Amino acid sequence: SQTIHQWPATLVQPVGSPLSLECTVEGTSNPNLYWYRQAAGRGLQLLFYSVGIGQISSEVPQNLSASRPQDRQFILSSKKLLLSDSGFYLCAWSAQSLWQRANYGYTFGSGTRLTVV
Amino acid sequence: QKEVEQDPGPLSVPEGAIVSLNCTYSNSAFQYFMWYRQYSRKGPELLMYTYSSGNKEDGRFTAQVDKSSKYISLFIRDSQPSDSATYLCAMPMHSGGSNYKLTFGKGTLLTVNP
Repeated sequence: SQTIHQWPATLVQPVGSPLSLECTVEGTSNPNLYWYRQAAGRGLQLLFYSVGIGQISSEVPQNLSASRPQDRQFILSSKKLLLSDSGFYLCAWSAQSLWQRANYGYTFGSGTRLTVV
Repeated sequence: QKEVEQDPGPLSVPEGAIVSLNCTYSNSAFQYFMWYRQYSRKGPELLMYTYSSGNKEDGRFTAQVDKSSKYISLFIRDSQPSDSATYLCAMPMHSGGSNYKLTFGKGTLLTVNP
């Protein structure tokens, strides 16, 4: 069965410090991968998505970047965190095929709660 | 107008009540409709999906789609305290090539009181 791992679960970082959040998927190949941010009262905001190794699409201009060095690994980074980067970050994967996506949607990790102080 | 609108609540009901959660959408291109459930401090999990108008039932949950009104609903019968969570509607939309992106509502926070 497919599983998605995301870590750390919580993180407190000072303003101006770097960030690296990692997400890995097991039990599938060629997944589509996504990074979302969820802020209170603002719902889920898609930050980046990737359809393959080294292929990253950015949805929102911001202080963050993403990379996909391996098929099932997705990394969210920042060189210098801002207070506004605080939030709940979620990694998700979906199958490539339209039928599977339509029937199974996205599978989310357990999230990282980031507080920038 | 936002693509997906969802009343954030919060919604508080007694145990055993029938709960109705709703979303409206503006893009008639949406063809698939999903409901996710998110417990506190956890990632969302897919609860139900449907790709046609009408009702789809799964245990105590019923998803309803009215494409003519661009309105979807999730009904929970005999609600339980364990149903307390945030419920998000979501709709995939073609974003070029073979890729689809999910557009989410903001979520409705539901509390079922014992």
